[in-house]
Amino acid sequence: DQQVKQNSPSLSVQEGRISILNCDYTNSMFDYFLWYKKYPAEGPTFLISISSIKDKNEDGRFTVFLNKSAKHLSLHIVPSQPGDSAVYFCAASEGNAGNMLTFGGGTRLMVKP
Amino acid sequence: DSGVTQTPKHLITATGQRVTLRCSPRSGDLSVYWYQQSLDQGLQFLIQYYNGEERAKGNILERFSAQQFPDLHSELNLSSLELGDSALYFCASSGTPERDQPQHFGDGTRLSIL
Repeated sequence: DQQVKQNSPSLSVQEGRISILNCDYTNSMFDYFLWYKKYPAEGPTFLISISSIKDKNEDGRFTVFLNKSAKHLSLHIVPSQPGDSAVYFCAASEGNAGNMLTFGGGTRLMVKP
Repeated sequence: DSGVTQTPKHLITATGQRVTLRCSPRSGDLSVYWYQQSLDQGLQFLIQYYNGEERAKGNILERFSAQQFPDLHSELNLSSLELGDSALYFCASSGTPERDQPQHFGDGTRLSIL
């Protein structure tokens, strides 16, 4: 039973355009959501997070949107850069970020120059 | 560089053997988490320690055990290894569990069972 799903295994975007990565979850007890970026041969790197009491959080080129009623979150990257090419994981936890994370399967983003 | 150090980077061993994976958390972090990433299962939570005590357990096999030492480094012990244990094992660390501090991951140990 996958509680966190990333339905798009891959996404290709032109440099300078917007990248939108999506994530759906089923567990209504999730309170905290995070996005991680992963390059080959490296561990996941924390990007941005959002608490369930908010619907938007922004950090530079990265914005995360949360729609609790739809149990859906998305990561927007504007403008996309070739260095953003990586696998992006959505993760969720109950209570707070210090609890165990449940990860989605990942979306491979390719930003073409 | 996340500040989380995992050793070794690669480990190749045979079925039935036992291995130990080591993790040093970021300076000041009290919580250590272990995750397994296999091809068909994605990233799965195994176990969490906070300041030396076990805090949460996920789908960790009985053949696997972990501990966190007084200097806060952690070890994950895998015994009676099977082919299906081949995976990437990640360690993560964070500060106080009650606060919304994200987990920071090491670069993982790739375990290959022959």
